[in-house]
Amino acid sequence: TQLLEQSPQFLSIQEGENLTVYCNSSSVFSSLQWYRQEPGEGPVLLVTVVTGGEVKKLKRLTFQFGDARKDSSLHITAAQPGDTGLYLCAGGIAGGTSYGKLTFGQGTILTVHP
Amino acid sequence: DVKVTQSSRYLVKRTGEKVFLECVQDMDHENMFWYRQDPGLGLRLIYFSYDVKMKEKGDIPEGYSVSREKKERFSLILESASTNQTSMYLCASSLVAHRSSPLHFGNGTRLTVT
Repeated sequence: TQLLEQSPQFLSIQEGENLTVYCNSSSVFSSLQWYRQEPGEGPVLLVTVVTGGEVKKLKRLTFQFGDARKDSSLHITAAQPGDTGLYLCAGGIAGGTSYGKLTFGQGTILTVHP
Repeated sequence: DVKVTQSSRYLVKRTGEKVFLECVQDMDHENMFWYRQDPGLGLRLIYFSYDVKMKEKGDIPEGYSVSREKKERFSLILESASTNQTSMYLCASSLVAHRSSPLHFGNGTRLTVT
């Protein structure tokens, strides 16, 4: 079983601060997805990165896939209370029998205080 | 938009009961998944299905079974519920067996076994 270690598990910051969430593995993934989950709802996809070294930006969120495709990071600039939620990274496995299975990290609970 | 609907938001069952969790998706997706979500553990895959009547074990299948008689419906069955199966259960679907196919989640069923 491939494992994804996500850190930190909890993050409590003030509005306007920057933060970074990390997702690390000893295994190579063919893709890395980031999801955000709000209370009472299922996770919703934020972004997918598939190429080593790839950087994607979504407004104040910047996602990076490591060169070796073993790690990823999510950086939020000038966090806002609306960014509060659970952030999950998930690695995809290539191959004919993978059927789109994803391995999830433990999640980061982000709280942004006004 | 893809809609994944889980039949119950909250369920309370007694130890030893047989429990059915139902999930329906409306976008003709081939793949369907059942995850359980526990604090600090992220999402763990219980079972998945890549076609009607086809199923594969995930990482934690013990104590569970599944049924997929129609493409749009994927059921999770707890043959004899136990207290350690108290958890949030998330159903998801994805379009094709591709490395970067996003998962579309339902809003979850919070199951309590007493």
